[in-house]
Amino acid sequence: AQKVTQAQTEISVVEKEDVTLDCVYETRDTTYYLFWYKQPPSGELVFLIRRNSFDEQNEISGRYSWNFQKSTSSFNFTITASQVVDSAVYFCALSESPSDYKLSFGAGTTVTVRA
Amino acid sequence: DTAVSQTPKYLVTQMGNDKSIKCEQNLGHDTMYWYKQDSKKFLKIMFSYNNKELIINETVPNRFSPKSPDKAHLNLHINSLELGDSAVYFCASSQVRLTNTGELFFGEGSRLTVL
Repeated sequence: AQKVTQAQTEISVVEKEDVTLDCVYETRDTTYYLFWYKQPPSGELVFLIRRNSFDEQNEISGRYSWNFQKSTSSFNFTITASQVVDSAVYFCALSESPSDYKLSFGAGTTVTVRA
Repeated sequence: DTAVSQTPKYLVTQMGNDKSIKCEQNLGHDTMYWYKQDSKKFLKIMFSYNNKELIINETVPNRFSPKSPDKAHLNLHINSLELGDSAVYFCASSQVRLTNTGELFFGEGSRLTVL
């Protein structure tokens, strides 16, 4: 069963629009970590944020913000006032328990920002 | 200095050949990984090594053989290459012991094309 679901395959917006990427996860562990990674067209994987299961505070970093809701098992990501440089594939990922040795990735959402 | 470096970055070869991809990390991490990213961008773990010991082997054909000579290196050897092996292979590392958060530090990827 998929542990991380990113239902949106592709999103296309015009510059300056806001875009929200959905991420729903599934775990039985009480301790886990959630991540977002960005993969720009150049191909590398860039770490954006890590959240542990005990910290439900939303986070804002510049134009990026994250909304973590344990009640709905969601960890959504919003880009405010999108720019062309935000065009990339965005991956949500889950690490279960401190002894887990791997990240389980969602299928990714391709964001295209048009000028 | 690149934290996680893998070589080669591009590899084009014929079916049936044997090839290797090398990975080195200078972060002092105790765990290293190989992930495969297919043409649909899906990222899936293949192997994980903790202090040179194989921890995860995710139903990968035995044509794939990882080797970890020390905890800073994890190489991937592929025998009898098939068309379906064409993908981008990412090496990653993390610190699991004492401070595991699940965060992975990725190399730039090695794009393998099998003709």
